[in-house]
Amino acid sequence: GESVGLHLPTLSVQEGDNSIINCAYSNSASDYFIWYKQESGKGPQFIIDIRSNMDKRQGQRVTVLLNKTVKHLSLQIAATQPGDSAVYFCAEINTGANSKLTFGKGITLSVRP
Amino acid sequence: EAGVAQSPRYKIIEKRQSVAFWCNPISGHATLYWYQQILGQGPKLLIQFQNNGVVDDSQLPKDRFSAERLKGVDSTLKIQPAKLEDSAVYLCASSLERQGVKYFGPGTRLTVL
Repeated sequence: GESVGLHLPTLSVQEGDNSIINCAYSNSASDYFIWYKQESGKGPQFIIDIRSNMDKRQGQRVTVLLNKTVKHLSLQIAATQPGDSAVYFCAEINTGANSKLTFGKGITLSVRP
Repeated sequence: EAGVAQSPRYKIIEKRQSVAFWCNPISGHATLYWYQQILGQGPKLLIQFQNNGVVDDSQLPKDRFSAERLKGVDSTLKIQPAKLEDSAVYLCASSLERQGVKYFGPGTRLTVL
């Protein structure tokens, strides 16, 4: 039979523009958050993390913002490049419990040249 | 530093056959995870080891899936017998500690015909 895969939401941006990828997490007890990038045929790759005692953290070309009030996480990528094209997942952990890593729904970032 | 290694990278089997996957975590990482990633979805935790002990296997279909980490380093995940719905990418991840960042291997893509 024919298999049908789920279509992930897609964010399309122009090369050089900034990208903002949003994520809503589910567990108010989660206190540690990670953004992963997954390219086709590869495992998820760590991008940046943030603990719940912070609301912003910056890396190289990436910034993560955390709003615990509305359980919202965002990943900002500055000067988006073709190599940034991938599926992005946010993941949450409750370090006070079993530290299980729970992934959110992925978002496909497509960079237009 | 070498990353998480997995083999094989691809496997095609018929339903009701058995299959095994191997994982070598990052050196020194005490915690090892097996995830199942179905096309278009985020990875789902199957089992978590702390050294050679199981911490969480609540989402492992124990009637057909088994995993071991005998010496607290390498791990194998086995499926016997396989079903069509087991077609997925099986990802291994490791972390230095339970509360830390999880680093993923490239995965094994399993196709069950």
